Amino acid sequence: DVKVTQSSRYLVKRTGEKVFLECVQDMDHENMFWYRQDPGLGLRLIYFSYDVKMKEKGDIPEGYSVSREKKERFSLILESASTNQTSMYLCASSLGVVLGSRWGTEAFFGQGTRLTVV
Amino acid sequence: KQEVTQIPAALSVPEGENLVLNCSFTDSAIYNLQWFRQDPGKGLTSLLLIQSSQREQTSGRLNASLDKSSGRSTLYIAASQPGDSATYLCAVEVGAGGTSYGKLTFGQGTILTVHP
Repeated sequence: DVKVTQSSRYLVKRTGEKVFLECVQDMDHENMFWYRQDPGLGLRLIYFSYDVKMKEKGDIPEGYSVSREKKERFSLILESASTNQTSMYLCASSLGVVLGSRWGTEAFFGQGTRLTVV
Repeated sequence: KQEVTQIPAALSVPEGENLVLNCSFTDSAIYNLQWFRQDPGKGLTSLLLIQSSQREQTSGRLNASLDKSSGRSTLYIAASQPGDSATYLCAVEVGAGGTSYGKLTFGQGTILTVHP
């Protein structure tokens, strides 16, 4: 069975702390994503990666960075946590497709990390 | 910019009813459309994936259709059960040549309550 695992279900951190959210997938997927979900705003893409050591900004990258040193692991880093980063964070992965292909692939999500910054 | 809209925002039905959830998107240049289920405080569970060249997909009591030219998809749930209560999200993978790398644009979701 397909599996995306996020390291924590709940986290409470203090303002100014450096926070690491970890995500691991066991499906040998090329693509990995970090989204955040907020009431009234829905899911928004923070960063994504389509290969090891490759990363691209999503719609709301400010205040975040990412790391992908191994294919199965994608980390989201909050350099200096702020209260407006209190949110549900969701990691996802999907299989890469051939460049120019018209077929997309199914995305699989982790269980989410509820982060509270106080 | 792609925008995805889901209606209704919330739906409450008695057990046993057949129901339809709607999703519309503004840019028809999509690779696929995916329906997800989300239980409170949890992650997303993939329900159905429809490629842009397909018209519908079925899984058990669920049937999803896609009309790419009109920018619409529906999720049909037959014989609803209390266990179907959740938020249902649709998402499109946008592409116009090249590759999107699997990036999804989500609707706001429909909160479904099925009462016994």
